[in-house]
Amino acid sequence: DGGITQSPKYLFRKEGQNVTLSCEQNLNHDAMYWYRQDPGQGLRLIYYSQIVNDFQKGDIAEGYSVSREKKESFPLTVTSAQKNPTAFYLCASTQGGIYGYTFGSGTRLTVV
Amino acid sequence: SQKIEQNSEALNIQEGKTATLTCNYTNYSPAYLQWYRQDPGRGPVFLLLIRENEKEKRKERLKVTFDTTLKQSLFHITASQPADSATYLCALDRGYGQNFVFGPGTRLSVLP
Repeated sequence: DGGITQSPKYLFRKEGQNVTLSCEQNLNHDAMYWYRQDPGQGLRLIYYSQIVNDFQKGDIAEGYSVSREKKESFPLTVTSAQKNPTAFYLCASTQGGIYGYTFGSGTRLTVV
Repeated sequence: SQKIEQNSEALNIQEGKTATLTCNYTNYSPAYLQWYRQDPGRGPVFLLLIRENEKEKRKERLKVTFDTTLKQSLFHITASQPADSATYLCALDRGYGQNFVFGPGTRLSVLP
């Protein structure tokens, strides 16, 4: 079945550490997105990519980095510069916004 | 400033009744508006999209309206069931049908 796979499901980060969240899709979608979700808030856009080797900052890109070397993959690195990284991270893809986004099952990141 | 508001953080209704959820926005001019369902600890699932030139869209027990004058969308679930209990998110595009921005969601509980 086609879909988006995010891993790991749970991730713990120590202060000052960089961590990378994986996002893989087999839907042949061009566009991929990373959102952050905090309790009581909507999804906030971190980065998005509409084609391979190109990506744009979203609304809250500071402290995050991405790459898009393959169509199927869009990993997100949470760097030590992100001061409040504890959140639920969601990856999504679409063949066009009018078709809706397909989301992964999320990664819950906790700073310890 | 730009804002998306959903009527209330939580809504409780009796089984069999119609649930009505509201999405209001300011300082956006969306061409498309989407509705998603999100269960706890999971990614959102796309339900419906409505275009700015459509007044109403239906899918099984779901009905969505879109009033660009009032800057409001209404999402109705008729003959509600306990299985409809979830958080419902609205999302609207920031141009060209791409790069959707999400509201905070309304948590619906359907009581048996």
